[in-house]
Amino acid sequence: DTGVSQNPRHKITKRGQNVTFRCDPISEHNRLYWYRQTLGQGPEFLTYFQNEAQLEKSRLLSDRFSAERPKGSFSTLEIQRTEQGDSAMYLCASSLTGTLPGELFFGEGSRLTVL
Amino acid sequence: AQKVTQAQTEISVVEKEDVTLDCVYETRDTTYYLFWYKQPPSGELVFLIRRNSFDEQNEISGRYSWNFQKSTSSFNFTITASQVVDSAVYFCALSEFNNAGNMLTFGGGTRLMVKP
Repeated sequence: DTGVSQNPRHKITKRGQNVTFRCDPISEHNRLYWYRQTLGQGPEFLTYFQNEAQLEKSRLLSDRFSAERPKGSFSTLEIQRTEQGDSAMYLCASSLTGTLPGELFFGEGSRLTVL
Repeated sequence: AQKVTQAQTEISVVEKEDVTLDCVYETRDTTYYLFWYKQPPSGELVFLIRRNSFDEQNEISGRYSWNFQKSTSSFNFTITASQVVDSAVYFCALSEFNNAGNMLTFGGGTRLMVKP
């Protein structure tokens, strides 16, 4: 499978715990994006990387959230001290610089449930 | 600030009917991109089409067609002769031209159910 891969697919945690999600983009894609989607809503932009550089961060990305892409390949999204409001689907997408704008390839998402 | 509104939260049609999904957007930018994405039950968003704001030529691709009207800030999507496999949630999205589609603002989505 050469698409965008996200792990774990589903995470249930208790309020106050830390969680980490991993995204493996399509191998030749240098841009990587994180979006959050709550039930019945459209995705909301969180952040994006070009190679290892984090170029944009949304105001939605509070201090409890941190995203990294240390070698310009896979990325991790960590949420510290989770809150019930963090329950959502976290979507990762990738694209290649120079391809037509906005054509993002999404993974199937990581669903977070905070009890 | 940018905003995308999809007033239809859910549409149900019978197979072979035509269906139009509405999208209205707000932006202060004079140049921008508009998109439609499809989210089937598997959850993986799939890119369908992109339009830039200076190209108002409407497009037909097989059973899909798109109607972009800058004067009314609308970018509607029509499926002709719908099929059960078209059942999904459809999202309209907007981005500034300057960020080259890297930061998309999505609407709330329209769930389309096509019944046999």
